[in-house]
Amino acid sequence: DGGITQSPKYLFRKEGQNVTLSCEQNLNHDAMYWYRQDPGQGLRLIYYSQIVNDFQKGDIAEGYSVSREKKESFPLTVTSAQKNPTAFYLCATWTGGTEAFFGQGTRLTVV
Amino acid sequence: GQSLEQPSEVTAVEGAIVQINCTYQTSGFYGLSWYQQHDGGAPTFLSYNALDGLEETGRFSSFLSRSDSYGYLLLQELQMKDSASYFCAVNDGAGANNLFFGTGTRLTVIP
Repeated sequence: DGGITQSPKYLFRKEGQNVTLSCEQNLNHDAMYWYRQDPGQGLRLIYYSQIVNDFQKGDIAEGYSVSREKKESFPLTVTSAQKNPTAFYLCATWTGGTEAFFGQGTRLTVV
Repeated sequence: GQSLEQPSEVTAVEGAIVQINCTYQTSGFYGLSWYQQHDGGAPTFLSYNALDGLEETGRFSSFLSRSDSYGYLLLQELQMKDSASYFCAVNDGAGANNLFFGTGTRLTVIP
């Protein structure tokens, strides 16, 4: 089935550690997005990519980095510079049409 | 900047009808969409309005008034499983960075 796969579902990070969240899609969509969601909050855009080898900062990019080496993959790295990384992270694709498609999310917790 | 406003919480009785409003201020407008998100899950697409009027999909309907920059999601015959957060989103242009989400409305359905 076509869709977006995020892994892992749960991730624990120690202080000062970098962690990478995986996002893979087989929808053949060009644009991919990373959102952060805090409890009871909406979706805040971290980074997005329209094509391979190109990506743009969203509203809250500080402390995060991404790469887009393949159309299917858009991993997000949460660096030690992100001081409050505990949140729910959602990867999405959108073709500019009616519907955005989301992965099941990764819940990141700092321990 | 872009802004979308929704009520933060709504409570309704099982079997009743509830309306969730969304007002928006964006630089452009292509369409208004609605998403449902259960706790810990991915947002899933419900409906999309590009033109004024009512779109009906089963128990859910969505309305748009472009002149008022306003839309709403109407849920009929509420069921307990409808308890979730509901987000409106505006597509304000043709580029990849043109999808903006509201902060969400948490709907609680009570017996």
